[in-house]
Order: sequence, then structure tokens, then C-alpha cells
Amino acid sequence: DVKVTQSSRYLVKRTGEKVFLECVQDMDHENMFWYRQDPGLGLRLIYFSYDVKMKEKGDIPEGYSVSREKKERFSLILESASTNQTSMYLCASTPSGVSGANVLTFGAGSRLTVL
Amino acid sequence: GQNIDQPTEMTATEGAIVQINCTYQTSGFNGLFWYQQHAGEAPTFLSYNVLDGLEEKGRFSSFLSRSKGYSYLLLKELQMKDSASYLCAVMDSNYQLIWGAGTKLIIKP
Repeated sequence: DVKVTQSSRYLVKRTGEKVFLECVQDMDHENMFWYRQDPGLGLRLIYFSYDVKMKEKGDIPEGYSVSREKKERFSLILESASTNQTSMYLCASTPSGVSGANVLTFGAGSRLTVL
Repeated sequence: GQNIDQPTEMTATEGAIVQINCTYQTSGFNGLFWYQQHAGEAPTFLSYNVLDGLEEKGRFSSFLSRSKGYSYLLLKELQMKDSASYLCAVMDSNYQLIWGAGTKLIIKP
């Protein structure tokens, strides 16, 4: 019954390493999102995508990039990890269209620690 | 700026009722969402309000007053499994979601 799968639940990386976080959804959703979740803060949007090969910056894109080569897969890339990128990363998807009623389906999250 | 406020933590007793408040100031309004997030798990959708009033869904109800920028989530007949964080989010005029920091609800026997 898994609908949004994030490949890694826990990662530990060193400063300066390149990090890939993978997200796959099996609901044929057009829209996919990457958020980070930190204690005491609301979810913050990093990047989102409304279609294959398409990407839009969210509120905090600095230090991140994304790739969407296939509809079902949305990857988050940290080109050179830094300690302030230690966080929980959540992937989510919604069906097509911009609507207030679009409900996000989230993955279980990837907890990244950068040493 | 845009802002969502909700209490950081609340404690309630099994079998009781609890109300979790959410106030917001956003650029426009296209609906308010409540999500539940158990520790270490994905947030899951609970409710969506776009018109004023109360929406009831089993033990959970959500209320919205757009004129007051206010919503609450009401949980009745609390069960231990309701221990979780409850996230309030508002969709603004650009259909972007603004999230509160979440309310951690602790249920005691």
C-alpha cells in the first residue's frame, strides 16, 4: 500500500559530500514536492515540480537542486552538504491541477545528518 | 509576512476532548488543512476547510472562521494512538502552502 517511497530513511554524510535523496510515487501524480522539517519550524518548501523535466524553486532552494527525468521520480541533490542541511526531508505528491483541495501524500521522510 | 500560529505542545487524558487552535495571517486564502504526524512517520491528511463552519469526520472535527483567521481541530474520545503532532497549513492566494510548526499532543492514561 506504499504510495510515496523515499529510498533512504537515515543517512549520515560528511561536509562537502554530494548527497542524493530519491523519491518515487506510484499514484501517477503530476506534482511532486521536497520539504525540509526542522524542530520548531513549519515545513519549508525546497523545490517542486509540476511535470517531467520541470522544476520550480520553493522558499529555501539555496544549496539544493532537483531532477525529474520521469514522472514518478523526483530527486533532491545536495551538491556539497553542509552541517546546516542536517534535517528531516519529506517528499510529497499531489494529482494535477492547482486546487485548494489537493491533498499531499507524503513519504516517510529521510533523516539526514551532516557531520 | 505570512504566519501560522499553533501551540507547541498540549496534554490531554485518554477519553477526553481536546481542541487544537490555529491562527493565520496569509496573503489570500484558498483553504486550510490539518495533517497528523506520528513520530518518525509521514504526515497524513485529516481535514480540509475552505468555507466557514464545522466539518465533522468521526471523532475528529475541524472548524474555520475566515473573518477571524482562525481554525481549530477538535478530537473527541481521545485514544492513546492520537498521540502525535498536528500540523495546520493554509493555502495562500498563489496556491502555496504555509505551514505552522505543529502541535505535539500527548495523551495520558
